[in-house]
Amino acid sequence: DSGVTQTPKHLITATGQRVTLRCSPRSGDLSVYWYQQSLDQGLQFLIQYYNGEERAKGNILERFSAQQFPDLHSELNLSSLELGDSALYFCASSRMGGGNQPQHFGDGTRLSIL
Amino acid sequence: GQQLNQSPQSMFIQEGEDVSMNCTSSSIFNTWLWYKQDPGEGPVLLIALYKAGELTSNGRLTAQFGITRKDSFLNISASIPSDVGIYFCAGQFYNQGGKLIFGQGTELSVKP
Repeated sequence: DSGVTQTPKHLITATGQRVTLRCSPRSGDLSVYWYQQSLDQGLQFLIQYYNGEERAKGNILERFSAQQFPDLHSELNLSSLELGDSALYFCASSRMGGGNQPQHFGDGTRLSIL
Repeated sequence: GQQLNQSPQSMFIQEGEDVSMNCTSSSIFNTWLWYKQDPGEGPVLLIALYKAGELTSNGRLTAQFGITRKDSFLNISASIPSDVGIYFCAGQFYNQGGKLIFGQGTELSVKP
């Protein structure tokens, strides 16, 4: 158990809809990262938050947004969903937000768009 | 998106054999990490490397941070059936907030 909690585990929805994925980091971790895993693109970094502030952005679509709340949990919002958004979405956390911090991953949310 | 070049893509070995996989990059990383992912689960951190030339072990696993800082390898000795899974390397830059750049993964199958 990594200590990173993601909900829900599975999500099935239709094109055009909006969903929210939730992540609780490990106790004491201030930084949260979101990654997308798909068969064709592999594991790709989406966005990072550190202590409530956005720290780094990857190739995150404009239809996607995230935030980190005062209690340090984070939510990833995906809107106007398309078939190609079907993927595994992982959250990871680390103690601080720098480049020498190992990240620990949750078990992911599997998103299926019908 | 940016990815590391990880090889081999898959390996089929006999229980008890040693395994070696590696990652190369055109970029210089400050940190190399190795993760293992089982079906239905998230990647689990195996080893983190912070200095060029560093050699670190975790049980039967040994990983090294290449001298050029552009490569890393992972060795597994005396493989057992529970080593089955997908192994990922990941590189991390010091000044880009800590995002991980992942390899494509090595799928390991172990025959008892």
